[in-house]
Amino acid sequence: AQSVTQLGSHVSVSEGALVLLRCNYSSSVPPYLFWYVQYPNQGLQLLLKYTSAATLVKGINGFEAEFKKSETSFHLTKPSAHMSDAAEYFCAVSEVQGAQKLVFGQGTRLTINP
Amino acid sequence: GAGVSQTPSNKVTEKGKYVELRCDPISGHTALYWYRQSLGQGPEFLIYFQGTGAADDSGLPNDRFFAVRPEGSVSTLKIQRTERGDSAVYLCASSFGGATGDEQFFGPGTRLTVL
Repeated sequence: AQSVTQLGSHVSVSEGALVLLRCNYSSSVPPYLFWYVQYPNQGLQLLLKYTSAATLVKGINGFEAEFKKSETSFHLTKPSAHMSDAAEYFCAVSEVQGAQKLVFGQGTRLTINP
Repeated sequence: GAGVSQTPSNKVTEKGKYVELRCDPISGHTALYWYRQSLGQGPEFLIYFQGTGAADDSGLPNDRFFAVRPEGSVSTLKIQRTERGDSAVYLCASSFGGATGDEQFFGPGTRLTVL
C-alpha cells in the first residue's frame, strides 16, 4: 500500500529564509505526487503536482518540488519565505493507474518568524 | 467561478444521533471524493464517486457510514448512531474527470462534533 511520510510536524523559519518541507513516499511504482496547502479555516489548495513529466515541478506562490526516484522523495522548497506562507502543508500520493484516491501525509505546520 | 461548497460548516450532535453532511461539487465535475481529517492528521480517504456510482468505498470505516450521489452532482454523507470518535472535519473534493493525476478541488469542510 502507498504511504507518505512528512518529516517534521512543525517547521519554523525566518522571513526571507529558505523553506524546505520534506516528503518521502512508499510505493512499488513511481506514483503521482502532490503538495497541498491549508490555510486556517480554508479548504486544501493545490500547490503543485508531479505526474511523470519534468522531475522539477514549479507551483504557485514561488514553491517548487523535485521528484527524486532514487530517494523516493518529493521535498517542497521556496527560496525566500514570506509571512503569508504560514500554513499547514500536506504531501499526498496517488496511483498512476487504478485508485484515484489521495493518500496524505500527516502534514507540516510552517511558521514564519518576522 | 464557484468552488466546492459544503453544508453545514459546523455540526454538533449527541452520541447516537444521525447526521447528514452535504457537498456541492464544482459544476461539470464528474468525480467526487469524501475525506475525513482528524485533529493533527492528514485527510483520510472515505469514498469516491464517478457519476452516480460509488467507484471506491474502501475507506468507509464501518457500516454506520454511507454516502449517496443520486443525480451525479450533490452528494450526502450519512452517519448513523454517531460516536465520539466520529468527531472530525469531513472534506469533500471534486475533479473534472476522475483520472489519476487530476487536480482535486477541496471544499472548506464540515466540522462534526459528537458530544
